[in-house]
This record gives sequence, C-alpha cells and structure tokens, in this order.
Amino acid sequence: NAGVMQNPRHLVRRRGQEARLRCSPMKGHSHVYWYRQLPEEGLKFMVYLQKENIIDESGMPKERFSAEFPKEGPSILRIQQVVRGDSAAYFCASSKARTETQYFGPGTRLLVL
Amino acid sequence: DQQVKQNSPSLSVQEGRISILNCDYTNSMFDYFLWYKKYPAEGPTFLISISSIKDKNEDGRFTVFLNKSAKHLSLHIVPSQPGDSAVYFCAASFLNRDDKIIFGKGTRLHILP
Repeated sequence: NAGVMQNPRHLVRRRGQEARLRCSPMKGHSHVYWYRQLPEEGLKFMVYLQKENIIDESGMPKERFSAEFPKEGPSILRIQQVVRGDSAAYFCASSKARTETQYFGPGTRLLVL
Repeated sequence: DQQVKQNSPSLSVQEGRISILNCDYTNSMFDYFLWYKKYPAEGPTFLISISSIKDKNEDGRFTVFLNKSAKHLSLHIVPSQPGDSAVYFCAASFLNRDDKIIFGKGTRLHILP
C-alpha cells in the first residue's frame, strides 16, 4: 500500500513562472490537505479538499494560489506568477476520513530564483 | 500568533537516556494533540496522539503527557536510540470543529552515542 506521493520532489522556477505541485493520496483516502513549511518554521495549513470540493481554504493566500482535487487524478496545488517568498517545502497529507490521522507525503521543495 | 510553541529549537540526549520534548499551547479549545517526527527531505511521520480528555498516552518507547491546566504537553522517549535523531513537531487540532493541524516550529533532537 503506497503512501502519499508527491511530485516533483524538487521544483525550480523563475519569478513570474507558474508552479504545479501534485499529490496522490494514499489508496482509499479521499481527504487531502496541503501545508507549507517555510525555512526554520513549522508546517502551516493551507487548504483541505475532498474529491471535487474545497472544504477549507482559510490558510491559502487569496491571490496566485489555487488548489483542486478532481474526480480522477491527483490533487494539484497551483501557484501562479511565483515570487521568491513562495520558496518553501509544500507537503500534502491525506486521510481516510475527516477525523482520522493525516499521513504526509515527502514534500515538494520549491525554489524560486 | 503562534498557537503551538516549542521553545527549544534543539535538544541533545545521550543514547539510552530519556528524551523529553516540551510543547505549550495557547488555545484552550484544542481538543486533540499530536506529535510528528520528521527526517530531512522526508514528510512528517505521525508518532503519537492524545485526546484532551486524557492526560497520558503510551505507545512503546513513546509517552505523551498532557497538562490541560498548564496548557502543556510533553513527549518522552525512553530509552533514546540513534534513529530517534530527527525534528519533532508538536501539533494541535480542533477535532470536532475543523480539520487543520496547527504545528509548532519543531525541536531538533540529537541522540549522542
């Protein structure tokens, strides 16, 4: 039973480009969460999705950031017109149900030049 | 505003001894607490959790203690092993209200030979 998968593991973008981060939850999990970790900081919640629905996006910046979890395929976190401050590790987690343990993927390390 | 605080950025403990990692929180409405362990270049791994209705939970070498009146929890690892060297994140959530996990900044544990 594969764990949460994220790709790419590392992503380098120039300022102004778009970044797309993908997350495939564990088999049987339909709840996906995205977190961001800035250097020397803890993980900060960004968004919680269930299949085809955004449940809570209270931690996501209002501009340039969007997330989706389509019926088929992985969840995507999209960052448009990246800036240097977007450089961080982005972690995805999944759970079987809302109140169950969240299992994390290995993260995508985004570097904006 | 940091709702979950880990005031020790790092801790060194001799192999075989007890490691005690501390965590304080500010929001008395948190009803579920978790500890995650993280190795470099990997995602956080769930370690142990405790509900606010309990004051202790034990799993093998790991024990979490919760002192609600002091808004304090601690993770005890005994005996400490070399593989325990990692960053430990304390986290909290409102189990019955929403789903986001709020993380502390982490404590880096070094187990000395």
